[in-house]
Amino acid sequence: DAGITQSPRYKITETGRQVTLMCHQTWSHSYMFWYRQDLGHGLRLIYYSAAADITDKGEVPDGYVVSRSKTENFPLTLESATRSQTSVYFCASIRTSGDYNEQFFGPGTRLTVL
Amino acid sequence: AQSVAQPEDQVNVAEGNPLTVKCTYSVSGNPYLFWYVQYPNRGLQFLLKYITGDNLVKGSYGFEAEFNKSQTSFHLKKPSALVSDSALYFCAVRDRGDYKLSFGAGTTVTVRA
Repeated sequence: DAGITQSPRYKITETGRQVTLMCHQTWSHSYMFWYRQDLGHGLRLIYYSAAADITDKGEVPDGYVVSRSKTENFPLTLESATRSQTSVYFCASIRTSGDYNEQFFGPGTRLTVL
Repeated sequence: AQSVAQPEDQVNVAEGNPLTVKCTYSVSGNPYLFWYVQYPNRGLQFLLKYITGDNLVKGSYGFEAEFNKSQTSFHLKKPSALVSDSALYFCAVRDRGDYKLSFGAGTTVTVRA
């Protein structure tokens, strides 16, 4: 089916472990984004990508790494997870041509760091 | 820099009554404004957007929003709320020349039967 998928949907890990959250979109949208959602903060941008091999930091990038070797995939890696990274993570994409301007969101990944 | 403020953490209304969720924004250029809704354990769903033109925009599920440039506001409204409208609502803004969104903290809407 077309859209954005995220995996895993739920993840429990321990402090210090490396974790990778996957994001895949079927529209070939050029821009993709990673947000984290925390109570009282809304959604905050972690990293974004304008195209394959082009990434840039958002508002809260510390402790995260991204890559984008293919247009459709945008994985987010926590190199050494900390408890403060317990959150719900959303991936999004946007079509940058035509009249479409809204971002489309994946279903989210709930990450718990013990 | 761009930012969004949603001054109310929670809004409670009775079913059938009007619903308003407030949003004010700050952006250096011309704004693109959005409302999203999130149901429990779900992703964000797009409701409506203001890009240009008519200040009153209509969206999904009977929602509408009014862009007010002088007050830098983009309040979400629904004339007659339903219990099924109970959810978390986010206002978001971006500059016309940028694709990055800034979100408000969210407003939890509870509609009681």
